[in-house]
Amino acid sequence: EAQVTQNPRYLITVTGKKLTVTCSQNMNHEYMSWYRQDPGLGLRQIYYSMNVEVTDKGDVPEGYKVSRKEKRNFPLILESPSPNQTSLYFCASSRDRAPKNTGELFFGEGSRLTVL
Amino acid sequence: AQSVTQLDSQVPVFEEAPVELRCNYSSSVSVYLFWYVQYPNQGLQLLLKYLSGSTLVKGINGFEAEFNKSQTSFHLRKPSVHISDTAEYFCAVRVQTGANNLFFGTGTRLTVIP
Repeated sequence: EAQVTQNPRYLITVTGKKLTVTCSQNMNHEYMSWYRQDPGLGLRQIYYSMNVEVTDKGDVPEGYKVSRKEKRNFPLILESPSPNQTSLYFCASSRDRAPKNTGELFFGEGSRLTVL
Repeated sequence: AQSVTQLDSQVPVFEEAPVELRCNYSSSVSVYLFWYVQYPNQGLQLLLKYLSGSTLVKGINGFEAEFNKSQTSFHLRKPSVHISDTAEYFCAVRVQTGANNLFFGTGTRLTVIP
């Protein structure tokens, strides 16, 4: 089954304790992205990756890091989490730059993070 | 830069009534347009998209949307809603070239009342 898998789905942590949210897709997609969803703000892009070893900032990258060492994985790293990073996080993937790229994003089920 | 405006944050509607969820966008370049739906405790899934051609596009679950270039709008409609349509709906745009970066609106929560 084609899917994007995120872990953990739920996490409560404390300020300053490094954490990683993993994301894996099994569709051989070149493009992957992280979004955060906050009430009244919709989804905002954190980072994206066009392919292995290629990453770039989205609209709200501060406080986050990513890496893309393998095509299927795109972990989101919070080196020193703060309460304002409490949010619902989504990983997404798609084909990109294909001749008939439809632009459809496939989303994971989300990771709800609470930073105390 | 692109932006998306969903004017209605919440839309309550009775079952079997018609509904329209509004979406306006701004962009200095040509864009593709999308509607995504998010059911409770789930990720987003594509409802429909406009890439080119006919301005009226049909999606899953009986939804349709019309692209209006002069009004820069992409409103979502359904002639008769069901309880199962209760969800949050997001309008999104991306430029036609470059990375597949979608810019989302703030969402409209549709609540279908029995």
